[in-house]
Amino acid sequence: QKEVEQNSGPLSVPEGAIASLNCTYSDRGSQSFFWYRQYSGKSPELIMFIYSNGDKEDGRFTAQLNKASQYVSLLIRDSQPSDSATYLCAGRGYSSASKIIFGSGTRLSIRP
Amino acid sequence: ETGVTQSPTHLIKTRGQQVTLRCSSQSGHNTVSWYQQALGQGPQFIFQYYREEENGRGNFPPRFSGLQFPNYSSELNVNALELDDSALYLCASSRPGTGGYEQYFGPGTRLTVT
Repeated sequence: QKEVEQNSGPLSVPEGAIASLNCTYSDRGSQSFFWYRQYSGKSPELIMFIYSNGDKEDGRFTAQLNKASQYVSLLIRDSQPSDSATYLCAGRGYSSASKIIFGSGTRLSIRP
Repeated sequence: ETGVTQSPTHLIKTRGQQVTLRCSSQSGHNTVSWYQQALGQGPQFIFQYYREEENGRGNFPPRFSGLQFPNYSSELNVNALELDDSALYLCASSRPGTGGYEQYFGPGTRLTVT
């Protein structure tokens, strides 16, 4: 079992709709979670991090964390074609706080 | 742009050779992490340096080694290159006080081993 799992996609969403990206993790001791966006041929770009149960909003983005279910999600409201990218979920463990484990990423495509 | 720079951008090496990749962290960032990203995969943690000391290591063999300098720039060295080492190598820096929460990635070095 992978430590951080994501559906590889592609996930296709019409422009203006809400894109929902999901991630599960296996290490119950994981403390913090991160969402990165990676355009093709570019390096990952940090969108948000979350470490408390519940929702965290930043502009069009909302991260959700449910530690009981070991589940993290990212919602993108009013999706734009420029949101088309691979979204990487990552978790930071308790036993090795310096080690951040990435999922394989979900490809998101916003269709006009 | 994150202010993190890496060199070189591309590199081609032969199996068995050694390679050194360099990273200059964002000003004031004292923590540097290195990752390997194979095509279609997420980045895999190699190791992290904090104040010139290794501060955690992923599941990579000892032929992957690193250094951090007093100005917080860093090097990744890989000895005895194997074909599977072909990947994008990313460094990420973090500023003090964030516990490494906020990592800013450089553009990466694309390494091809033939």
